[in-house]
Amino acid sequence: GAGVSQSPSNKVTEKGKDVELRCDPISGHTALYWYRQSLGQGLEFLIYFQGNSAPDKSGLPSDRFSAERTGGSVSTLTIQRTQQEDSAVYLCASSLTQTGEMAKTQYFGPGTRLLVL
Amino acid sequence: QKEVEQDPGPLSVPEGAIVSLNCTYSNSAFQYFMWYRQYSRKGPELLMYTYSSGNKEDGRFTAQVDKSSKYISLFIRDSQPSDSATYLCAMLKTSYDKVIFGPGTSLSVIP
Repeated sequence: GAGVSQSPSNKVTEKGKDVELRCDPISGHTALYWYRQSLGQGLEFLIYFQGNSAPDKSGLPSDRFSAERTGGSVSTLTIQRTQQEDSAVYLCASSLTQTGEMAKTQYFGPGTRLLVL
Repeated sequence: QKEVEQDPGPLSVPEGAIVSLNCTYSNSAFQYFMWYRQYSRKGPELLMYTYSSGNKEDGRFTAQVDKSSKYISLFIRDSQPSDSATYLCAMLKTSYDKVIFGPGTSLSVIP
């Protein structure tokens, strides 16, 4: 079946512009996660959703970052007034549920490579 | 000090070699340990996971956890060029917790 998809695959923007990144999780997966991956930094947790609710937003680096999920499916990560330090790969993952054994199996999308000039 | 540390490499080995990848961690509350493999320009994929201490084997891959030393390892036997990727260790305290990833080790297996 289809895996996690993300769009766009690449995004180049100018400093100060807003960007929207989209994630389509695997159908039926209730948990959805956003991560940021910078060179040599590993995966930095940003936010997760259980259904349409976001119980943990602790990883969002500033109030310029926000995310929403609608219909328990598609999620959008929005970065307002982008800065050069926002340049990174933004990865989305989904899992069948957020708790129990299934929580450890996260399926990742290919990521969106964001470059802020 | 980061919660999870991993030598970034790059690690370069000849085909057929045994590869040892390692992570250390600082929080003794971690109970679930995973290894993810990430090919270039792809998202990570789960390779193996173990609960608590001990070994787990899957084909050419063996995951080992030593909670007393706060040290986990992934061994790859008979390494293949297709094993060339970045390997990320990951762990969590409970199944309700968020996953903490290491920075990853880049591995190249040379034919």
